[in-house]
Amino acid sequence: QLQLQESGPGLVKPSETLSLTCTVSGGSISSSSYYWGWIRQPPGKGLGWIGTINYRGTTSYNPPLNSRVTISVDTSKNQFSLKLTSVTAADTAVYYCGRLKDGRREDAFDIWGQGTMVTVS
Amino acid sequence: DIQMTQSPSILSASVGDRVTITCRASQSISNWLAWYQQKPGKAPKLLIYKTSNLEGGVPSRFSGSGSGTEFTLTISSLQPDDFATYYCQQYNDYFLTFGGGTKVEIK
Repeated sequence: QLQLQESGPGLVKPSETLSLTCTVSGGSISSSSYYWGWIRQPPGKGLGWIGTINYRGTTSYNPPLNSRVTISVDTSKNQFSLKLTSVTAADTAVYYCGRLKDGRREDAFDIWGQGTMVTVS
Repeated sequence: DIQMTQSPSILSASVGDRVTITCRASQSISNWLAWYQQKPGKAPKLLIYKTSNLEGGVPSRFSGSGSGTEFTLTISSLQPDDFATYYCQQYNDYFLTFGGGTKVEIK
């Protein structure tokens, strides 16, 4: 059964770079045409899409975050990663990684990681 | 970007009630809509995709309908396990957007 697990620092200083990794287990990130993505949820608020990548490295980003976001994939480690630069308190959130359901860039997220809380302070 | 508006934001209901949550899109999204359930401290869980298709393992008391700009999630008989927050998400284009959420609480 495919599982996703986020990892990375739980505390980041303002103006620095937030870096998270999502490790995929129970299947290969490159054995199919799935897209993978990052979503975040500020405390007490709703969900926000950050960006998406496939195993070839094709990316799509949320336009307001486009200048600060980089998502990359490492097929040898079965991981994909998120970097968000110049963070502020507004970037404090639970960050989730997820798999898009049917191999389309535009899709629903059918598998989610458990989420990791990142505080900017 | 396509804005998704859910109503109500909070819904008080009792076990056994029929519950309906509405999601409206700022422009037509055809039937590219998903619904998620989220419990406190947990990741969202996909319930329904492409407006009305039940994800595997999801109880049949959940159903979805709609098209274009107006969509509904219905729980036919609310169970204790269903008290949670529900989100819609459009995927008509690559800029994925979620509704603001509907919290279903115990009346």
